[in-house]
Amino acid sequence: AQSVTQLDSQVPVFEEAPVELRCNYSSSVSVYLFWYVQYPNQGLQLLLKYLSGSTLVKGINGFEAEFNKSQTSFHLRKPSVHISDTAEYFCAVSNFLGAQKLVFGQGTRLTINP
Amino acid sequence: EAEVAQSPRYKITEKSQAVAFWCDPISGHATLYWYRQILGQGPELLVQFQDESVVDDSQLPKDRFSAERLKGVDSTLKIQPAELGDSAMYLCASSLGPSGNTDTQYFGPGTRLTVL
Repeated sequence: AQSVTQLDSQVPVFEEAPVELRCNYSSSVSVYLFWYVQYPNQGLQLLLKYLSGSTLVKGINGFEAEFNKSQTSFHLRKPSVHISDTAEYFCAVSNFLGAQKLVFGQGTRLTINP
Repeated sequence: EAEVAQSPRYKITEKSQAVAFWCDPISGHATLYWYRQILGQGPELLVQFQDESVVDDSQLPKDRFSAERLKGVDSTLKIQPAELGDSAMYLCASSLGPSGNTDTQYFGPGTRLTVL
């Protein structure tokens, strides 16, 4: 079974500052990794995903994440945030085998202050 | 751009009543998922369909929850009777499938259920 731990429940940052949202996972098999964003009263939208290949993955809205197998981490970064990035961010994993089941972390609420 | 549709967006009910949620996936998507998201937590998979067949319902409380996707297109999730602990956001997602784990899941806006 897989599990995901998002180390920060809330992250406040100032506009135009860099941000890192941390995600660690646990799995006995190889995994695929995802970051989703949820704006207020909306569903989840895929930011980026790691399937294989380069460990640095670029996504939408200027976000990127780096897969670190030895650290079992998949941290999300953005060099300069905007007010519109205020949202809940979820890290998720699925394994190579069986059904395409996503296991989500508990989420990190990113708040951008002007 | 095609989207996953869900209705209703909000539902308030009293405990012991029956409720039903509807989901229409993106056209052509073979795989459909229902997730429950309790406030302050990440979504948890309740049931997954491949066309009209259930692939995974291991986390579905089958004594009160049921789900169907009779023609392999839209789907209904039902709760009977509702309990206070069922208050949550119910999210539907779809993916192209059945190629496996690399398909992106596209989420609908969700149905927020409040049980009084």
